[in-house]
Amino acid sequence: GAVVSQHPSRVICKSGTSVKIECRSLDFQATTMFWYRQFPKKSLMLMATSNEGSKATYEQGVEKDKFLINHASLTLSTLTVTSAHPEDSSFYICSEIRANGEAFFGQGTRLTVV
Amino acid sequence: GENVEQHPSTLSVQEGDSAVIKCTYSDSASNYFPWYKQELGKGPQLIIDIRSNVGEKKDQRIAVTLNKTAKHFSLHITETQPEDSAVYFCAASNGGGSARQLTFGSGTQLTVLP
Repeated sequence: GAVVSQHPSRVICKSGTSVKIECRSLDFQATTMFWYRQFPKKSLMLMATSNEGSKATYEQGVEKDKFLINHASLTLSTLTVTSAHPEDSSFYICSEIRANGEAFFGQGTRLTVV
Repeated sequence: GENVEQHPSTLSVQEGDSAVIKCTYSDSASNYFPWYKQELGKGPQLIIDIRSNVGEKKDQRIAVTLNKTAKHFSLHITETQPEDSAVYFCAASNGGGSARQLTFGSGTQLTVLP
């Protein structure tokens, strides 16, 4: 069964609104979770590392004020796309990585900004 | 940092034939090499992995080989079936549990023709 649950799977929003994506670890207390963005027919691009109880670490070029990450508990990390624009439309995926390096991914969220 | 190259970008095979996807990596410290299958609109799923103390690993129709000297590893799928059609990603990691150390290849679109 699923190890990481991501919700929603699809969302359509209007330009200027904010969208929250949730990522839950179902059987593991994940102190660290990861958020990726994937463009069509491209590989996964790491956006940020979500750390439980502290600030997220963003990759170079990723706007932290645009992509707000909250990791308030060991099983839940959220990504909020603020003031969304059409160029933010993409497939967003979260994951957790175990101590042995194994990564488990959420189902992904298809965001469409109109 | 680590650089992972994956070939081919697209691969079409007849049902029942074998498919081989190859990856090379640059960081000799990498010691964990997973392969992921991603179906359209879904998150990647781990299908097989190999660690640097092993040269080959097999799981039913799927096998992975690793050549640490040459820094390359390959995914082999035998007796392919239409449901094997998906995008496959290789990755390399030094197993430290940080996404910075989990570097993905560019992906291979596998199509199995009935």
